[in-house]
Amino acid sequence: EVQLVESGGGLVQPGGSLKLSCAASGLTLSGSVIHWVRQASGKGLEWIGRIRNKANSYATTYAASVKGRFTISRDDLKKTAYLQMHSLRAEDTAVYFCSRQREEILGNSYHYMDVWGKGTTVNVSS
Amino acid sequence: HSALTQPASVSGSPGQSITISCTGVSSDIGVYNSVSWYQQQPGNAPKFLIYDVSDRPSGVSNRFSGSKSGNTASLTISGLQPEDEADYYCSSSTNTSWLFGGGTRLTVL
Repeated sequence: EVQLVESGGGLVQPGGSLKLSCAASGLTLSGSVIHWVRQASGKGLEWIGRIRNKANSYATTYAASVKGRFTISRDDLKKTAYLQMHSLRAEDTAVYFCSRQREEILGNSYHYMDVWGKGTTVNVSS
Repeated sequence: HSALTQPASVSGSPGQSITISCTGVSSDIGVYNSVSWYQQQPGNAPKFLIYDVSDRPSGVSNRFSGSKSGNTASLTISGLQPEDEADYYCSSSTNTSWLFGGGTRLTVL
């Protein structure tokens, strides 16, 4: 079964740090772009950032709202991607999803997220 | 880039058709055909419905269709069924970023 499973969420104080994981199974992580998307309670989806594969130099891009505070990384041998979050604020409270976009290959590009995890909850509160 | 604009809610009766719009600007939807749509049931992860404006992945009902005109993309659901009641999100990607719409709550009356 193709799936992504997030973990690492929890309660953290404002200004604190947290590292989320996204474990992949049933799919080739090395051929994938991994995105992180979050959703505050009762709100819409917000794209946070993405990391490309080794062939694309593990390039990362971030939304302005998290740039400089959040870092996305990956370990293809462990089939896991990560979201390191620093200087957390109350407004970072949300469910965090990881998702997969097929990496561009042989001139073919795939502009959609076809596999999503079920999410992990981050609560930033004192 | 700001979030894409969707109506907050739409409704329809079983068997009817509804259309959800998604408005961007000339630098996202207006220039790229990389519009995708996702369905999210309460408490669940988003489910991939439409890609490249109007293509359906295998396993998605042909009752779901997409289109685009200028800076606005649209999702049409025909033959509404009770299980279509959910939140729907559009998304547009550029070379460096992704945008989501604010989401539309579909109520099947």
